[in-house]
Amino acid sequence: EAGVAQSPRYKIIEKRQSVAFWCNPISGHATLYWYQQILGQGPKLLIQFQNNGVVDDSQLPKDRFSAERLKGVDSTLKIQPAKLEDSAVYLCASSLPTGAGETQYFGPGTRLLVL
Amino acid sequence: AQSVSQHNHHVILSEAASLELGCNYSYGGTVNLFWYVQYPGQHLQLLLKYFSGDPLVKGIKGFEAEFIKSKFSFNLRKPSVQWSDTAEYFCAVNPNTDKLIFGTGTRLQVFP
Repeated sequence: EAGVAQSPRYKIIEKRQSVAFWCNPISGHATLYWYQQILGQGPKLLIQFQNNGVVDDSQLPKDRFSAERLKGVDSTLKIQPAKLEDSAVYLCASSLPTGAGETQYFGPGTRLLVL
Repeated sequence: AQSVSQHNHHVILSEAASLELGCNYSYGGTVNLFWYVQYPGQHLQLLLKYFSGDPLVKGIKGFEAEFIKSKFSFNLRKPSVQWSDTAEYFCAVNPNTDKLIFGTGTRLQVFP
C-alpha cells in the first residue's frame, strides 16, 4: 500500500514570496490533515478536511495560508506572502473517517526555509 | 487550553538500558492517547495507542505504555533499548475528536 505522498521535499524562498505544497493521501482515506512543525516543537494542526469539506481550520493563519481539496483526494496548501516565521516542516497526514482515535498516517513532509 | 507535556527533551542511553519517557496531558474528559516515533530520515509513524480497556498498551518493537488516568499520564517504556531505537518520540492526545495535540517530542540517542 502506497503511503502519503508530498512534494516538494524541500523549498527555499525569500520572504514575501508565495509557495505551494502538494499532498496525495493514502487511497480510500477521506480525512486529510495539514500540520506545521517548527524546529524543536511537535506538529501543530493547521487544517483538517473530510472529503473536500473543511472540518477544522481554527489554527490556520487565514490572512496568508490557504488550503483546498477540490475533488476529495489531493490537497494543496499555499502560503502567500511568506514570512520568516513560516520556516518549518509541513506535514500531511491522512486517516479513515471512522472518528476519534483513528490512526493518522504521515507523509515525509516538506521542509520550508524562508530567507 | 488542552496541552501535552513531555518533560524529557533529550535522553541519552547505552544499549540494554531501560527507557521511560514521560507524557502528561491536560484534559479532563475522555481521551485517546498515542505515541508516534520518527526515525532519522523517516516519516512519523505510530508506535502504539490507547483507546480503552487495559491501561497497559503494547506496541511495536517491544515498546509499551501505561495510561494512568489519575495522573493524566501515558508514559512510554522499553526494558532494553537498542541502537536502532535512536529517534524522536512524540506523545499525542486526541480529546474525543479527530484532532491530535502533540507534545514537543523527546530525542532519544542510544549508544552501542
